[in-house]
Amino acid sequence: EAGVVQSPRYKIIEKKQPVAFWCNPISGHNTLYWYLQNLGQGPELLIRYENEEAVDDSQLPKDRFSAERLKGVDSTLKIQPAELGDSAVYLCASSTDRDRNEQFFGPGTRLTVL
Amino acid sequence: QKEVEQNSGPLSVPEGAIASLNCTYSDRGSQSFFWYRQYSGKSPELIMSIYSNGDKEDGRFTAQLNKASQYVSLLIRDSQPSDSATYLCAVNSYTGGFKTIFGAGTRLFVKA
Repeated sequence: EAGVVQSPRYKIIEKKQPVAFWCNPISGHNTLYWYLQNLGQGPELLIRYENEEAVDDSQLPKDRFSAERLKGVDSTLKIQPAELGDSAVYLCASSTDRDRNEQFFGPGTRLTVL
Repeated sequence: QKEVEQNSGPLSVPEGAIASLNCTYSDRGSQSFFWYRQYSGKSPELIMSIYSNGDKEDGRFTAQLNKASQYVSLLIRDSQPSDSATYLCAVNSYTGGFKTIFGAGTRLFVKA
């Protein structure tokens, strides 16, 4: 069974530029998460989808971040414009159901904003 | 008070010893608890989940949960150098709406 796929793995951009990350979850996993992880910290939730519905986006900075999960499968997270403080690892995870919620993570995208 | 607290470490143990990792959480409504292992430069990997009080064993790993004390721990028996990683505790809470909270992790070093 294929795991969670993310692309790109690395991205270097200048501040004020846009950037987008893509995630394809494990087949059959209805719940998809986007996390941000800074060095030395645990993952912090940005947004959670159940199928195509964003059920928790309370921590998503909506002035510059947006996300979509059309058709309830793969998802895209966008930042526009990027700021220096957005440099971090962006992780995508998926799970089969909310109750057990065993999450499986993709390899992440390391973003560097110069 | 942080919602999920872990000692940042580093915790250093000799090869073959038992490593004990601890986690406390603040929300009494928490229902599900997880341990993830994260190697440097890699993403978190689920190693244990526990949902009821008591112990749960899987190979060299044992998770222990005490909801009354709001405490969850991970024991690694016969520690190996390959166990050297950061261990993240994650807690599912339903109070005020469903959410998963991760601790900042404990760095473990196993000395050969």
